[in-house]
Order: sequence, then C-alpha cells, then structure tokens
Amino acid sequence: AQTVTQSQPEMSVQEAETVTLSCTYDTSESDYYLFWYKQPPSRQMILVIRQEAYKQQNATENRFSVNFQKAAKSFSLKISDSQLGDAAMYFCAYRRVDNAGNMLTFGGGTRLMVKP
Amino acid sequence: DTGVSQNPRHKITKRGQNVTFRCDPISEHNRLYWYRQTLGQGPEFLTYFQNEAQLEKSRLLSDRFSAERPKGSFSTLEIQRTEQGDSAMYLCASSLGSGVSNQPQHFGDGTRLSIL
Repeated sequence: AQTVTQSQPEMSVQEAETVTLSCTYDTSESDYYLFWYKQPPSRQMILVIRQEAYKQQNATENRFSVNFQKAAKSFSLKISDSQLGDAAMYFCAYRRVDNAGNMLTFGGGTRLMVKP
Repeated sequence: DTGVSQNPRHKITKRGQNVTFRCDPISEHNRLYWYRQTLGQGPEFLTYFQNEAQLEKSRLLSDRFSAERPKGSFSTLEIQRTEQGDSAMYLCASSLGSGVSNQPQHFGDGTRLSIL
C-alpha cells in the first residue's frame, strides 16, 4: 500500500519570504501522480500543483514550485514571496496511474502560518 | 462551473441515529469520490463511483455505511446507527476521467458530522 508522510506538522514564514514544505512517499509503482492541495480554514480544498512521475522537470505554478526527487521518493513544495493568503493546511497526495487507483492517498498535512 | 456542492454543511445528531449526506458533483464529471477527514488529519478515501457504478470501497467503509449514485449524477452517503467515532468531516470530490486518464479532483466544502 502507498503511504504519504509529511514530517512537519506546522511551519511558519515571514510575509514575502520563501518556505519549503516536505513530503515523502512510499510506493512500488513506477508511474504515478503527486499533488499538493491547500485547505484554508473552513474552506474547500483546492489543487495547488501536480507532478507526473514520468516527467523529470519540476512543476511550477506562479509562486509555487516543487522539488521532485523520484529516487528518494521526495516531493517538496516551495512557496516564494509568501502572502498572508497562503496561510492554510497543505496536504501532499499521491495517486496511481491505473484504473484501480483513482483515489488520492493524503499525508497528514502541514499547517502553514504566515507572519505579517 | 458551479463547483462541487455538499449538503448539509453541518450535521449534529445523537449516537445511534441515521444520517444521510448529499453531494452534487460538477455537472460534466463522471467520477465521484467520498473521503473522511478527522480533525488535524489528511482525508482518507472511502469510496469511488464512475457514473452510477461503485468501483472501489475502502476497508474504512463498514457495513453501517452505504453510498449510492443513482443515474450517475448526485451521490448520497448514509451512515446507520452512528457512533462517536463517525464524527468527522465528510468530503466529496469529482473529476472527469476515462480509463487511466483522470483530471484532478475538485473538492466540495464538506459536511461536518458531530455525534453527541
């Protein structure tokens, strides 16, 4: 079974600074997807960024980028120029690439606080 | 795109009662997922539908839980004889997919269940 681990329950960053959230996963599959989701307080979960395992190039979305290390099974999220609106729970998630694996497996989450 | 809609937002009930939640996915999405999220944890997969067919069920889905998606549109999740441990946020997500191809999942706001 696949597992996703986020070792940082809480992180704090100063506004306009850069922060990196860690995620490691365990799988025997060679092809899969990895995601970062953001869940603001009392609001719905939204997709921040996704990475296909077969792609060596790290995904980027504006201020958000990932460092995908397939051999190490590591998938960290870097947030540049942090803004107050970035404060939320961040979840790393994994999904297999086959018909039986459409569900997401989530990590335990990292609470990000942004200080003004 | 009106997003994934879940009702009710909050449900408070006494232990032993039955509860039913509803999820309306994004209209063109053929795949629908239910997850459960306890406080401070990441969501855990419960079950998955493709159109009206329930294709996957987690071991977390005990025989007190039943989910349906008649006509492949909205879905209901029913919990019978509720227990204290059922207190959680129940999240619904939907996506568009065919075979192994699957667009990212979009989440609703969730239904928070509190068992007295």
